[in-house]
Amino acid sequence: EVQLVESGGGLVQPGGSLRLSCAASGFTFSKHSMNWVRQAPGKGLEWVSSISSGGSTIYYADSVKGRFTISRDNAKNSVYLQMNSLGAEDTAVYYCARDKGVLFGEFIVPNNYFDFWGQGTLVTVSS
Amino acid sequence: DIQMTQSPSSVSASVGDRVTITCRASQGISSWLAWYQQKPGKAPKLLIYGAASLQSGVPSRFSGSGSGTDFTLTISSLQPEDIATYYCQQADSFSWTFGQGTKVEMK
Repeated sequence: EVQLVESGGGLVQPGGSLRLSCAASGFTFSKHSMNWVRQAPGKGLEWVSSISSGGSTIYYADSVKGRFTISRDNAKNSVYLQMNSLGAEDTAVYYCARDKGVLFGEFIVPNNYFDFWGQGTLVTVSS
Repeated sequence: DIQMTQSPSSVSASVGDRVTITCRASQGISSWLAWYQQKPGKAPKLLIYGAASLQSGVPSRFSGSGSGTDFTLTISSLQPEDIATYYCQQADSFSWTFGQGTKVEMK
């Protein structure tokens, strides 16, 4: 069974930093791209960042570029989001999501659909 | 960025009704579109990908259609457990963007 478990959320002051973690199990983590998607309270979904299976290709939304850093450790089946210079606009539930991908031989090519999600971790930026 | 616009923003229907939600992309995205269902307090769930392919385990009353800029999610016979907010998402061009959501309520 695929499981994604986020941790690291909490209350942080404006300008502060936080590091989110997502622990994966139930699938070959090293073969899938991974994503972070956030949802501000009462609002819709916003894609935040993606990282390829090997970590060499990374994308960020303009709203977080230069402040957030995504990384992964395939030996620990985990993906991370380092968030710096946080502002009130970053207050949201942050979800870790797996890229569904398409199997080509022994490789899984990302297709940018998010087929499994964690339960989310709440980040609140407030003084 | 590609903008995704859903309509309506909310719909009220009875059990057994056919419900249709539309999603329009600001530019052509071929069939690179997904639909998600989100219930209150829960993570989104992938329903449809590639505009029309049903994700494993999703009931067959859900279907998707469309290509280019105009897409549709149809629930053929609304069930109580379908009460949720539905989002479309384009997977064609970075950065991947979602529609604003359509809330489906029971009449």
